[in-house]
Amino acid sequence: KQEVTQIPAALSVPEGENLVLNCSFTDSAIYNLQWFRQDPGKGLTSLLLIQSSQREQTSGRLNASLDKSSGRSTLYIAASQPGDSATYLCAANTGNTGKLIFGQGTTLQVKP
Amino acid sequence: NAGVMQNPRHLVRRRGQEARLRCSPMKGHSHVYWYRQLPEEGLKFMVYLQKENIIDESGMPKERFSAEFPKEGPSILRIQQVVRGDSAAYFCASSPPSSSTGELFFGEGSRLTVL
Repeated sequence: KQEVTQIPAALSVPEGENLVLNCSFTDSAIYNLQWFRQDPGKGLTSLLLIQSSQREQTSGRLNASLDKSSGRSTLYIAASQPGDSATYLCAANTGNTGKLIFGQGTTLQVKP
Repeated sequence: NAGVMQNPRHLVRRRGQEARLRCSPMKGHSHVYWYRQLPEEGLKFMVYLQKENIIDESGMPKERFSAEFPKEGPSILRIQQVVRGDSAAYFCASSPPSSSTGELFFGEGSRLTVL
């Protein structure tokens, strides 16, 4: 049974810092892994999707990596800004069915 | 091209009443998924539907909950005889048929409060 864990649960950093959010999964047989952002009281915004055959994906200041053998993914945020404050969720897709297994999320606060 | 549309955004019900949550997928998407986010918990898969078919309902509670995606109109998640423990945010997601990436697109959610 796939389980997804995110560490840390909460993170507070000063503006401008580079930071890494961690996601681990127990079953390496994943189809893809998706990172989302969720603002309080809002829906999920897709940030990056990494296919099982890929090692990383980049979008602007965001870079996500995937290491299936170790069951880990990281989300790297460069030059963090107060607007990056949100909860970041990773989700593993074990088959191409959209049945995602979510981690509990990391709540990020970037202080001006 | 509008995204996934959910309504109502907020719904208040008293114990024992029925709640109906609606989801219109993105244009061209024929696969719909419902997820539930309980307070202080992560998102959990509930059900996966295609037009007129329930594909996977392994995450649905055995009683009081049902979902449909008719040939015409939105997908509906129905909760009968609501209890306080049903208070949560219910998210709908959609994907196109035969998606090569498996990427899901989420709506803003419907927040159910049971008094």
